[in-house]
Amino acid sequence: QVQLVQSGAEVKKPGASMKVSCKASGYTFTAYYMHWVRLAPGQGLEWMGRINPNSGGTNYAQKFQGRVSMTRDTSITTAYMELSTLRSDDTAMYYCARFYCSGGNCYPDYWGQGTLVTVSS
Amino acid sequence: DIQMTQSPSSLSASVGDRVTITCRASQGISNSLAWYQQKPGKAPTLLLYVASRLESGVPSRFSGSGSGTDYTLTISSLQPEDFATYYCQQYYNIPWTFGQGTKVEIK
Repeated sequence: QVQLVQSGAEVKKPGASMKVSCKASGYTFTAYYMHWVRLAPGQGLEWMGRINPNSGGTNYAQKFQGRVSMTRDTSITTAYMELSTLRSDDTAMYYCARFYCSGGNCYPDYWGQGTLVTVSS
Repeated sequence: DIQMTQSPSSLSASVGDRVTITCRASQGISNSLAWYQQKPGKAPTLLLYVASRLESGVPSRFSGSGSGTDYTLTISSLQPEDFATYYCQQYYNIPWTFGQGTKVEIK
């Protein structure tokens, strides 16, 4: 069965960087884009960007350009999202989500369990 | 970016009630719309995709409709496990954008 298992919670100081991993299993990792979404306290869901695990190509939300980097390691079917120069308002739950395609339809189906990142001095 | 306007932001309902949540996109999204349920501390769970297709394993009391810019999620008979927050999402293009959520609470 498809699983996306994310790394554990982190506490970071302002100005630091964080790196969250998303280990995929149960399907061909390189076949479907992986997206990253976050949910901050009191805020709505916010798309951060995506990576093509086959080519490594990325697209980032304008808000995070210059601060975010999405990579992957196909040998261990894992996607990564790194966010730098952290601020207190980056405190959020971070999710990876698979963008599945079948029969001419593409849609996000499986999500990781989430990684809580707390930014605090 | 496509803006998604979801309403209401919250509602109170009783077990057995019929519940309707609406979502309006700022431009046509060709049914590229998903509905999710989220419970505190958990990941969003996909309920419907392509506006009206029920994800495998999701109870048939959940249904979706709409086209163009206007979409609706209906829960035909609310069950105790349905009290949660619901989000719509467009995946017509990137950036993905989400409605602000509807919190369904017990009356």
